[in-house]
Parts: sequence; C-alpha cells; structure tokens
Amino acid sequence: AQSVTQLGSHVSVSEGALVLLRCNYSSSVPPYLFWYVQYPNQGLQLLLKYTSAATLVKGINGFEAEFKKSETSFHLTKPSAHMSDAAEYFCAVTLSGNTPLVFGKGTRLSVIA
Amino acid sequence: DAGVIQSPRHEVTEMGQEVTLRCKPISGHDYLFWYRQTMMRGLELLIYFNNNVPIDDSGMPEDRFSAKMPNASFSTLKIQPSEPRDSAVYFCASSLEETVWASTDTQYFGPGTRLTVL
Repeated sequence: AQSVTQLGSHVSVSEGALVLLRCNYSSSVPPYLFWYVQYPNQGLQLLLKYTSAATLVKGINGFEAEFKKSETSFHLTKPSAHMSDAAEYFCAVTLSGNTPLVFGKGTRLSVIA
Repeated sequence: DAGVIQSPRHEVTEMGQEVTLRCKPISGHDYLFWYRQTMMRGLELLIYFNNNVPIDDSGMPEDRFSAKMPNASFSTLKIQPSEPRDSAVYFCASSLEETVWASTDTQYFGPGTRLTVL
C-alpha cells in the first residue's frame, strides 16, 4: 500500500524567504504525487501534481516540486514566501488518476512579516 | 461551473441524532469521494463512487455511517446515531473518468461540512 510522510507538522518562515515543505512517499509501483493547499475554513485546492512526465513540476502561486525517485521524495518549494501562502499543505499519493488519494498529515505553514 | 457543492457548511447536533450531509459533484464527473478530516487522523477516505455505484466503502468507520448516490448529481452521507467522536470536517470531492495524463487536475474538493456532535 502506498503512503506519504510529511516531515514537520508546522513550518515557519519569514516573508521573502525560501519555503521548503518535505514529503516522502512509499509505493510499490511508480506513483502519482500531489500537493494540495487548504486555506482556513476552505476545501483543498490542487497546487501541482506529478504524473511521471517531467520530474520538476510547476504549480500555481509560484510553487514547484521535484520528484526524486532515488530519495522517494516530492518536496514542495517556493523561492520567496508571501503572507498569503500561510495555509496547511498536504502531500498525497495515488496509483492512478481516479482512485482515492492517500494524504499525509499536513504541514501548517506560517509566514512572519 | 460552481464547483463541488456541500451542504450544510456547519452542523451542530446532539449525540444520538441523525445527521445527513449532502454533496453535489461537478457536472460530468463520474467519480465521487467522501473524506473525513480530524486533528488526530488527518484526511481519511470514507467511501467513493463511480457512476453512482459504491466502489470501496472500507473506510466507513462503522455501521452508523451510510452513503448513497441516487443519481449523478447528488450524494448523501448519513450518520445515525451520531456520537461526539464523529465531530470532524467532512469533504466531498469529484473527478472525471479519464486518465490522469489527460486531466489537469484530478479531484476537486468541496468546501467541507464542519460537524460538531455535542
């Protein structure tokens, strides 16, 4: 069975600093990987996804993630944090496009002015 | 499109009462998923449907939970009787029946229903 582990339940960065949110996956076959963002009192919104095409995936709001098979990782980055990036971020994995997602526990990102 | 619609957005009820959560998927989507989010367990899949047929309900916690999808545009998640440990945010999501190669997104999530059982 597939699973994801998000390292760090809470990450705090200064405005303008690099954002790095970590995600490691476990899967017996090549997975599809996703990052979702959840703003307070809202549903989940897809940031980006990896579908075995390019290993560097660019998403919305300036975020990107790199699939590294050798490290079984799919870390999310953004060069410069903005106050509006404060939210909860979820990494998720699935083995196909229309089967249920398995989510990590989430990482809460705080951005300090 | 209005996106996935869930109602109510907030529900407060007393232990033992029946609770019904509703979801309208995006028109044309053939898959519908119900998830539950709690602080302790994070996001968990409860059940999902394909073309109105339940495919996997192994995540439904117990017999008090039931879900139906009478047609392509409506689904319900019912808890009877409700208990305080059912307090959570319940999300509905939908997706197209096509491969992930072709779609720019997979699952679209609704805003969720925050359930509080006293």
